[in-house]
Amino acid sequence: EAQVTQNPRYLITVTGKKLTVTCSQNMNHEYMSWYRQDPGLGLRQIYYSMNVEATDKGDVPEGYKVSRKEKRNFPLILESPSPNQTSLYFCASSPGQGRSYEQYFGPGTRLTVT
Amino acid sequence: SQQGEEDPQALSIQEGENATMNCSYKTSINNLQWYRQNSGRGLVHLILIRSNEREKHSGRLRVTLDTSKKSSSLLITASRAADTASYFCATEPPPEGYSTLTFGKGTMLLVSP
Repeated sequence: EAQVTQNPRYLITVTGKKLTVTCSQNMNHEYMSWYRQDPGLGLRQIYYSMNVEATDKGDVPEGYKVSRKEKRNFPLILESPSPNQTSLYFCASSPGQGRSYEQYFGPGTRLTVT
Repeated sequence: SQQGEEDPQALSIQEGENATMNCSYKTSINNLQWYRQNSGRGLVHLILIRSNEREKHSGRLRVTLDTSKKSSSLLITASRAADTASYFCATEPPPEGYSTLTFGKGTMLLVSP
């Protein structure tokens, strides 16, 4: 089944403890992206990647890191999480470049930083 | 970055009625997409309409795009309780291939049996 998977689905952690949220897609998509969703603010893009070893900042990149060493994986790293990073996070992927395609979203990771 | 704004923020209707949601945006776009999100879950793509298109249909969904007014509408006909969800528009600015979508804040649709 074509899908985007994220792990973990739920995470409660403490301020300053480094964490990684994994994202993997099995559709051979070139484009991958991370969003956060907060009440009243909608979805905001954190980082995106057009292909392996090609990443770029979205609208709210501060406090986050990403890497794209393999086409299928796009982990989101919070080196020193803070309470304002408590949010619902979504990974998404999309095929191709040079044309606009729909994005396929993962199920979400609900992160709470205390 | 530009952001689409959906209107209304919330809509409550009865099963069988039509639901119309609107999206306005500020600058020129390459395409506009509509997504659905069931409570707390991932977004699901509904329709993509390009800037040179005026209307698209998919089952009970009809999307229109008016680039002169910088607005789009999503019509769901003969709504069902299962249509209860939040609906988001997302815009992609030109040039084509610049693959960043900007999402609005969504319209929450409640369809009562």
